[in-house]
Amino acid sequence: GAVVSQHPSRVICKSGTSVKIECRSLDFQATTMFWYRQFPKQSLMLMATSNEGSKATYEQGVEKDKFLINHASLTLSTLTVTSAHPEDSSFYICSARGGGARNEQFFGPGTRLTVL
Amino acid sequence: AQKVTQAQTEISVVEKEDVTLDCVYETRDTTYYLFWYKQPPSGELVFLIRRNSFDEQNEISGRYSWNFQKSTSSFNFTITASQVVDSAVYFCALIPGYGGSQGNLIFGKGTKLSVKP
Repeated sequence: GAVVSQHPSRVICKSGTSVKIECRSLDFQATTMFWYRQFPKQSLMLMATSNEGSKATYEQGVEKDKFLINHASLTLSTLTVTSAHPEDSSFYICSARGGGARNEQFFGPGTRLTVL
Repeated sequence: AQKVTQAQTEISVVEKEDVTLDCVYETRDTTYYLFWYKQPPSGELVFLIRRNSFDEQNEISGRYSWNFQKSTSSFNFTITASQVVDSAVYFCALIPGYGGSQGNLIFGKGTKLSVKP
């Protein structure tokens, strides 16, 4: 399968700071990237879908001004958690999907965010 | 409604036992895709299988097998002769509609499998 990376894998920050998480498709061009959030012992919840070069589509209840998503190239999407608070602590997972034979969603390894 | 139900929250077995993880889905669409993913303690999601709604053949891959029954809207996953390395959370997921693998994944709540030596 295709490879998707996320950076950083783990981040600890102080309340009020902003944190940027990168999601990269390493060996294919991702026309669409997805961002998920997973609380402990819970399922993955889709936060937003981003297509290269256009604004992200956010799921109901997800604050777009809080969770800024940029999909500036076919291999990179970023999620910025602005003014992070302890309740934003979670496991964030991205997935990437390309076209043609790369129509599957491939998941990144996840980023564990802890806000103190 | 589009929904995936994994009724078993946690399952604990002893190594070498067979174990079946249940998955029941709901969708109004006649075309859809079903998936199983494994999430080990490291957190990374590992793709296990994709099945489209027109393919009801059961599949076997090593110790893993899947039973797709449209009549009961179920897509159950069996691990034969379980091993400690099988310990993980397993998610069943659905992409409804003609979007095929281009649609959004709807995940079940997951089943945590613990295999004890």
